[in-house]
Amino acid sequence: DGGITQSPKYLFRKEGQNVTLSCEQNLNHDAMYWYRQDPGQGLRLIYYSQIVNDFQKGDIAEGYSVSREKKESFPLTVTSAQKNPTAFYLCASSSMSSDTQYFGPGTRLTVL
Amino acid sequence: AQSVTQLDSQVPVFEEAPVELRCNYSSSVSVYLFWYVQYPNQGLQLLLKYLSGSTLVKGINGFEAEFNKSQTSFHLRKPSVHISDTAEYFCAVSDSGGGADGLTFGKGTHLIIQP
Repeated sequence: DGGITQSPKYLFRKEGQNVTLSCEQNLNHDAMYWYRQDPGQGLRLIYYSQIVNDFQKGDIAEGYSVSREKKESFPLTVTSAQKNPTAFYLCASSSMSSDTQYFGPGTRLTVL
Repeated sequence: AQSVTQLDSQVPVFEEAPVELRCNYSSSVSVYLFWYVQYPNQGLQLLLKYLSGSTLVKGINGFEAEFNKSQTSFHLRKPSVHISDTAEYFCAVSDSGGGADGLTFGKGTHLIIQP
């Protein structure tokens, strides 16, 4: 099955710890994205990458970091500098020649 | 900069009744518009999109939307809703076709279907 996988579905961490969220796609898409979703806030773009070894900040990149060492993978690290990390995180991908972003199932991060 | 306004945070509707979810956008350039649906604790699924051409766009699950450039709107409609349509609906805008630089989303409208 082709698609986007995010793991784990639920993640709990203590305050002050860094945590890395996984996103993998086997759609052969060039571009990948990370969004954060908070209740009543819609989705906000954190980081995106249009090509391997390159990525750009989105609207709310502070306190987050990413890497794009492989085309299929775009992990997101939530650092201790992120002041309010508890949220639902969604990964998406798209082909550069297409007009549609495909979304993964999401990871719900809770920082205790 | 682009922005998207979804005017209603919640829309309650009786089953088999028609529904309209409103979306307005602002942008200084040509835009591409999308509607996504999200079921509880899941990712987003594309319902329909407008890139160019006919202003009336048909999507999955019987939904359609109309692009109105003069009113900068892209309202979503369905003539008869079903219980299974209960979900969160997001309008999104891009100025680069596929949103290669990322999409700008509205805050969402929760569609509540009442039996």
